[in-house]
Amino acid sequence: DSGVTQTPKHLITATGQRVTLRCSPRSGDLSVYWYQQSLDQGLQFLIQYYNGEERAKGNILERFSAQQFPDLHSELNLSSLELGDSALYFCASSVASGGFTDTQYFGPGTRLTVL
Amino acid sequence: SQKIEQNSEALNIQEGKTATLTCNYTNYSPAYLQWYRQDPGRGPVFLLLIRENEKEKRKERLKVTFDTTLKQSLFHITASQPADSATYLCALETSGTYKYIFGTGTRLKVLA
Repeated sequence: DSGVTQTPKHLITATGQRVTLRCSPRSGDLSVYWYQQSLDQGLQFLIQYYNGEERAKGNILERFSAQQFPDLHSELNLSSLELGDSALYFCASSVASGGFTDTQYFGPGTRLTVL
Repeated sequence: SQKIEQNSEALNIQEGKTATLTCNYTNYSPAYLQWYRQDPGRGPVFLLLIRENEKEKRKERLKVTFDTTLKQSLFHITASQPADSATYLCALETSGTYKYIFGTGTRLKVLA
């Protein structure tokens, strides 16, 4: 158990809908990272927040948005869902803002299925 | 374009042998490279990090090498066990950007 929690574990929804994925980082960790993992594309970095502020942005679609709240939990919002958005979404956390000294701890993931 | 490549074919080896996994990258100059283990349906777990000025890093039965001239990292598991069966991912951070790039992973199966 990494100490990172994600809810829900599974989510099934229809195309065009909007969903929110939630992540609670390990106690004391200030950074939260979001990743998407699909069979054909592997693990793709979406976005990082550090202490409430956006730190780095990866291949995140405009239909997706995220935020980190004062209590450091984070939410990833996915809207106008398409079939291709079906994937495992992982959250990770780390103590600092990134870099080689900063190990990322991954949560168990949320499996999103868009029908 | 920038790319990380890992052998997408599964690697099957006999218990007790050394498994060697390869990670090649192009058009990056990473300051460090990481290796993760991922079991089916679970999040990746960090294993080892090696910096650009380190040729080799060891942790118990694991060994990682980093050749910045070849743009390649090798990941070795010695005396492999069936419990080592998993997918192994390499990852790097594009220098100074805090953006992490992961390879697609190599699935290792250790046969008893």
